[in-house]
Amino acid sequence: NAGVTQTPKFRVLKTGQSMTLLCAQDMNHEYMYWYRQDPGMGLRLIHYSVGEGTTAKGEVPDGYNVSRLKKQNFLLGLESAAPSQTSVYFCASSQLPSTDTQYFGPGTRLTVL
Amino acid sequence: GDSVTQMEGPVTLSEEAFLTINCTYTATGYPSLFWYVQYPGEGLQLLLKATKADDKGSNKGFEATYRKETTSFHLEKGSVQVSDSAVYFCALSVPGNTGKLIFGQGTTLQVKP
Repeated sequence: NAGVTQTPKFRVLKTGQSMTLLCAQDMNHEYMYWYRQDPGMGLRLIHYSVGEGTTAKGEVPDGYNVSRLKKQNFLLGLESAAPSQTSVYFCASSQLPSTDTQYFGPGTRLTVL
Repeated sequence: GDSVTQMEGPVTLSEEAFLTINCTYTATGYPSLFWYVQYPGEGLQLLLKATKADDKGSNKGFEATYRKETTSFHLEKGSVQVSDSAVYFCALSVPGNTGKLIFGQGTTLQVKP
């Protein structure tokens, strides 16, 4: 099993450009999450999904959109990138809420110039 | 709102020293508590967890006890190794059916030979 994979690993954008980050999991997990990691701030939840076809806002959703058309994939979109979105983005998945382990991908390092 | 506070880092120890990383939380309801570890250049992985008061989570020589009376979940290890050098995150799960995690800011541990 590959677990949770993320594409791409690195990306540099110019302000105003758009891009999509792809997260894929092969564990048949129901729940998927997108976090951003910034120095000194831990991880903050951007959006999450409790099942195929569902999405919901997390702590810092502004400037991002998500889609979960297939159970194994969770896409994070930036429509018009801003320098404040320079960060490391992590995807995670779990089978159950609250008590279950979340499995994390290796991360995507995004720089917006 | 719910929150997690960790001790400031970085923490620098010599090999075989005793480790404590403090974590306190504020939450409504009865959250599950987690410690995740992030090795350089990697995503987060679960180190240990506790799902109810007085539970002790343990793994790889690390331990933490869920103390409801002091709202704490301190991480301890009796004898650290160079390979334990990493960033450690305390987290709580928001009770309910979303599985959302709230993370502390992370504590960097450096172990010197």
